[in-house]
Amino acid sequence: QVLLLQSGAEVKKPGASVNVSCQASGFTFTEYHFTWVRQAPGEGLEWMGWISAYNGNTKYAQKLQGRVTMTTDTSTNIVYMELTSLTFDDTAVYYCARGGGSSPKGVDLWGQGTLVTVSS
Amino acid sequence: DVQMTQSPSTLSASVGDRVTITCRASQTIGSWLAWHQQKPGKAPKLLIYKASTLESGVPSRFSGSGSGTDFTLTISSLQPDDVATYHCQQYNTESWTFGQGTKVEIK
Repeated sequence: QVLLLQSGAEVKKPGASVNVSCQASGFTFTEYHFTWVRQAPGEGLEWMGWISAYNGNTKYAQKLQGRVTMTTDTSTNIVYMELTSLTFDDTAVYYCARGGGSSPKGVDLWGQGTLVTVSS
Repeated sequence: DVQMTQSPSTLSASVGDRVTITCRASQTIGSWLAWHQQKPGKAPKLLIYKASTLESGVPSRFSGSGSGTDFTLTISSLQPDDVATYHCQQYNTESWTFGQGTKVEIK
């Protein structure tokens, strides 16, 4: 079954870091890019960046540069997104999606989402 | 970054109505536009890519059109299952952007 399965909800304190994982299954992992998108409560979708599972190339949103790191593990078909120096504004549902770079469809498969809550 | 502006923000229509959502880019993006449907409490789902190509399994009542800076998503006959927020997304440039979303409700 073609699927992206994300890790569970997280609660973090301001200043901490969070690492969200996304397990891909049912397709050839290294043929794709993977994109991360977040959605703050009641807000729209915000593109965070993407990573190539083929060669590790990345492109990050300018506003997150220096705080976000995306990596892949091709032995386990997992994509990771680490966000550091968390603030209350980082409270959101974080989605991984298949596609990125010059993918002709953009993204065509979404994970179920991971709620990250930043709270003191 | 390319700014994407959707209108309206909220739309209320009756079952069977024809519904149109527009999305305008701040600069030309060719046909590199996708539409995603997001039902309440769920992850988004791809409906249309390259402005007008229906993703496999998506009902034919959905259609997309446009190129350059102006795009539309049309639902030819609104169904109760279509209650959702619809997001446009450009992927012409290396940095992608989404519209702010259009919430569709049943009157």
